[in-house]
Amino acid sequence: KNQVEQSPQSLIILEGKNCTLQCNYTVSPFSNLRWYKQDTGRGPVSLTIMTFSENTKSNGRYTATLDADTKQSSLHITASQLSDSASYICVVRSNSGYSTLTFGKGTMLLVSP
Amino acid sequence: NAGVMQNPRHLVRRRGQEARLRCSPMKGHSHVYWYRQLPEEGLKFMVYLQKENIIDESGMPKERFSAEFPKEGPSILRIQQVVRGDSAAYFCASSPLAAGQTTDTQYFGPGTRLTVL
Repeated sequence: KNQVEQSPQSLIILEGKNCTLQCNYTVSPFSNLRWYKQDTGRGPVSLTIMTFSENTKSNGRYTATLDADTKQSSLHITASQLSDSASYICVVRSNSGYSTLTFGKGTMLLVSP
Repeated sequence: NAGVMQNPRHLVRRRGQEARLRCSPMKGHSHVYWYRQLPEEGLKFMVYLQKENIIDESGMPKERFSAEFPKEGPSILRIQQVVRGDSAAYFCASSPLAAGQTTDTQYFGPGTRLTVL
């Protein structure tokens, strides 16, 4: 069964600090992995997409890594800002089927002043 | 270019009534996806449509739920005879690329929050 597990479930950090969110998956066959940011009451917004051959990808203060061998990914946020407070969702696409996206439950990040 | 539009943003229905959720994809996008998000849960795929065609409805309950994406107008997710368990946030996403292409980024709407009393 395809699964995406994220940790921690929630996290509180001080403004300006860095943090790292984790994602483990058991999706097979693997196509790509995405990180989304979902503000409360809004739809998810794509941050990064990584394919099998990509180890790292950055988008501003967000850096995602992928280890396809261990089936792990991380999202590192640098110099956090209050606006980073949101749920961060790891999503893995499988190569089977038209639209097989498996979503994690998300990590709820709160950046405190 | 406006983003994905969904309406209504909030919908309250009594048990047994019908719920109609609308989704207008981004301009130029002909691929639409519907997802459901229960409280404390991740998004779950329901259905994938292209213009006038249902491509994959494997995530949609066989009864009471239907979806369409007509040639003109928004995509509609219809839930007949709603029950309390249908209460959830329903998100629509659109893409300019067909599903399965490696980097088919999906752009999400703000969601419709359905509450069944």
